[in-house]
Parts: sequence; structure tokens; C-alpha cells
Amino acid sequence: GAGVSQSPRYKVAKRGQDVALRCDPISGHVSLFWYQQALGQGPEFLTYFQNEAQLDKSGLPSDRFFAERPEGSVSTLKIQRTQQEDSAVYLCASSPITGLLPYEQYFGPGTRLTVT
Amino acid sequence: DAKTTQPNSMESNEEEPVHLPCNHSTISGTDYIHWYRQLPSQGPEYVIHGLTSNVNNRMASLAIAEDRKSSTLILHRATLRDAAVYYCIRGNDMRFGAGTRLTVKP
Repeated sequence: GAGVSQSPRYKVAKRGQDVALRCDPISGHVSLFWYQQALGQGPEFLTYFQNEAQLDKSGLPSDRFFAERPEGSVSTLKIQRTQQEDSAVYLCASSPITGLLPYEQYFGPGTRLTVT
Repeated sequence: DAKTTQPNSMESNEEEPVHLPCNHSTISGTDYIHWYRQLPSQGPEYVIHGLTSNVNNRMASLAIAEDRKSSTLILHRATLRDAAVYYCIRGNDMRFGAGTRLTVKP
């Protein structure tokens, strides 16, 4: 069946531009997670949705980062006024399990953001 | 405070078993141990999880120490496609850490 998809796969932005990254989770999955992965590092948790509710955003690095999942399915991660330190791979994961748990998460291929 | 500790890298020969260790000395009694792996240019994929007893699935086995302060992910016959970064995660902690980069030599 279809897995988690993310678009675009690659994004180059000039410093100061706004970007929007899309995640299409597996159909019917209640939970959705966003992670940021810097080069050579493991994924760092950003935020968690249960259906349309954003229950945890403790990992968002600044108020320039904003995520939404208005209908409990597709999610968008928006970064305003991008900075070079925002360059990373942004991973989305969905899960049929409710709760902020590192269990049975299905990851997308990620969006590689490069800020120049 | 690193909740889990893993070696940075390991090497294995193809078709030989691989034992990937993880230390989690401050684990609590209700914390599960989860393993994910990340193949090159892909998102992580779930491998296995356990609480106290050893666990087996089609991908791997998980051996958990009796005191639960450490665990070992076992790949019974490594293949070239098992070359990846392996992450050990403790409990409900959402931190992956740097993981162990496994290289499989033909």
C-alpha cells in the first residue's frame, strides 16, 4: 500500500524566504510527527499531532516554525524567514497508534531543505 | 543526559551475525526499548521493540539484559542491504541520538 509521502523532495531557499513542506500520511493514521535531521545526526523531534490537534510542539526550534494538520490528514510544516541553520532533512512520520510514542512510526523519505 | 548510549560505528561481514549493543542504565521499569534503522537517503524504519523478554520478528531479534540496563539488536545473517544507521530509543523519549552506523562488507 501507499506509504508516507513528502513534497517537495528537495527545496532550495534563499535566506529570508518562507517555505512550506507537505506531508501525506498513511490513510487512517491518527498520529503524525515531524522531525528535523541535520547532516550526520539522528532525527530530532519537532512536533506531534493527534488527528487535527497539535498536542506537542516542544521541539520546534523557534517561532519561525509552524505546523498544521487542519483536517487530520495532510500536514504542512512552514518555516518563515529561513536561516542557514534551518538547512536539514525534514522527516514526517505517521502512526496508527495514538500517543507521543516512538513505536510503529512509518516515515516518509524526507524533504531536504538547503538555505543559501 | 543521554538516555541511551551506542557505539558510533560497527563493521560486519556479509552473512555473519551482527550484535548491536545499546546501554540504557537509567531505564525505568515501564520503559520499552525501541529500535529503528535508517538506510541511506531514506527515512527511518521501525525494526523491533521489547520490554523484558527477548523478542523476535522477521527482521531481527532483541535480547534484553536481565537488569534491563542494556539490550542487543541481533541481525542473524547480515546482508549488504542491512547497511544502515541503527537507533536505540528508550521509553517514550522521542530522541533518536546519533545511532550506530553499520557497515557490511561483502
